[in-house]
Amino acid sequence: GQNIDQPTEMTATEGAIVQINCTYQTSGFNGLFWYQQHAGEAPTFLSYNVLDGLEEKGRFSSFLSRSKGYSYLLLKELQMKDSASYLCAVYSNTGKLIFGQGTTLQVKP
Amino acid sequence: EAGVAQSPRYKIIEKRQSVAFWCNPISGHATLYWYQQILGQGPKLLIQFQNNGVVDDSQLPKDRFSAERLKGVDSTLKIQPAKLEDSAVYLCASRELRTSGGYYSYNEQFFGPGTRLTVL
Repeated sequence: GQNIDQPTEMTATEGAIVQINCTYQTSGFNGLFWYQQHAGEAPTFLSYNVLDGLEEKGRFSSFLSRSKGYSYLLLKELQMKDSASYLCAVYSNTGKLIFGQGTTLQVKP
Repeated sequence: EAGVAQSPRYKIIEKRQSVAFWCNPISGHATLYWYQQILGQGPKLLIQFQNNGVVDDSQLPKDRFSAERLKGVDSTLKIQPAKLEDSAVYLCASRELRTSGGYYSYNEQFFGPGTRLTVL
C-alpha cells in the first residue's frame, strides 16, 4: 500500500524552531517534496530531496533518510506568516505525486 | 512568468447538477494534473495528462467525472451529476517535462489557485 503520515497540527512560538516529521511507505521512491499551503491558497513549492541528507534553503531545511522512509522539514526563526499547512509528498515509481494529509502549523506571538 | 490559471474561483451548486472547471497551465508545461482536496486533507490526484493524452486516471470517478485536454494546452474537468461528497477544492497543477541523461526528472509541480466547489 501507499501511506504518508504527518502530524495533524503543531503549535510553536514566534522566533522558535519547529520540526515537522513525515514518514512514508510508497510503491517505489523518486523523491520527496515539501509544499506550503496558506488557508484558501494553492500549495507552493518549498523543497525537494531525492538523496539522503539535509537540504538547506534560508530559514527552511529538509532532511531525508530513504532507508527509514523518513523526512522532516525544519523551520527556523519562525515568523507569524509561517502559519500554514505543510504538505509532504512523494513521487512513486509510477510518476504519481502522493500527498500526506498536511500539518497545520500555528505560530503564536 | 504567468502562473497556472483556474476559473471559476468559487462555485455553489445543488446536488445532481453539473459543473465544469477550467485550467490554463504555465506556457510550455506538457504535464497537467487535476487534484481534489477535501477540507483537512492533502490533495488527491484525479487525472494526469501528458500533452493531450491521459497518463493516469485511476482515481477519477468515471461514472460522474470527466476531463479533457484536447489541444494539449488548457483543460476542463466536469462533474455530472454532482454529489454532496464532491464538495472540495479542485486544484490544477502543471509541470515542465525535463529530461536528464535520457530520463525524465521529477521537478516540482506548480499549482493554480483552485476552484472551491460547494454542493448543497
